[in-house]
Amino acid sequence: SQQGEEDPQALSIQEGENATMNCSYKTSINNLQWYRQNSGRGLVHLILIRSNEREKHSGRLRVTLDTSKKSSSLLITASRAADTASYFCATKGLTGGGNKLTFGTGTQLKVEL
Amino acid sequence: DVKVTQSSRYLVKRTGEKVFLECVQDMDHENMFWYRQDPGLGLRLIYFSYDVKMKEKGDIPEGYSVSREKKERFSLILESASTNQTSMYLCASSLTHEKLFFGSGTQLSVL
Repeated sequence: SQQGEEDPQALSIQEGENATMNCSYKTSINNLQWYRQNSGRGLVHLILIRSNEREKHSGRLRVTLDTSKKSSSLLITASRAADTASYFCATKGLTGGGNKLTFGTGTQLKVEL
Repeated sequence: DVKVTQSSRYLVKRTGEKVFLECVQDMDHENMFWYRQDPGLGLRLIYFSYDVKMKEKGDIPEGYSVSREKKERFSLILESASTNQTSMYLCASSLTHEKLFFGSGTQLSVL
């Protein structure tokens, strides 16, 4: 079953603008991760935030986590055309399941020049 | 850098054929995974393995089996391919649950 749902499904912005995408999940988590996928390729890990963290930064990426609302957001600041990709959140549950992650349906980001 | 290699980028098979998708990782990771990706459905876990000869079903194992005879290799088998198995298949490996490394994917078409 899908754990994460990203919102919006698609987002189109101009280069230099900020892009925000959201992820909601259903059950308690150990951690939440964001991945990027360029068209027709595999996914690349971007950032991980643990359940006891509220905010994390990595370069132009900022991730927040609100466990009370079971939601996370990914902010990409000063976007570039190269940021055009699909972005997925993935969650690691608290109990059982081994080391598997459950992925959401993704947000397609298009950054136009 | 970790490298996860999937044997084929594109594959076309006929209904009823037995299909093997191969995945090899070079970082001695215990955990390996097979996902399929379909538009609007995201990634769905088919099977995963946390050790040689060990396997666990994911969310959609029906119609698939897996083999892990060596630590670096994880194979996905479609015993009798069907058209609803046309999809992008993604292999991944990890040391822990904190970061997955993905291959480039195999786009499988079953005609």
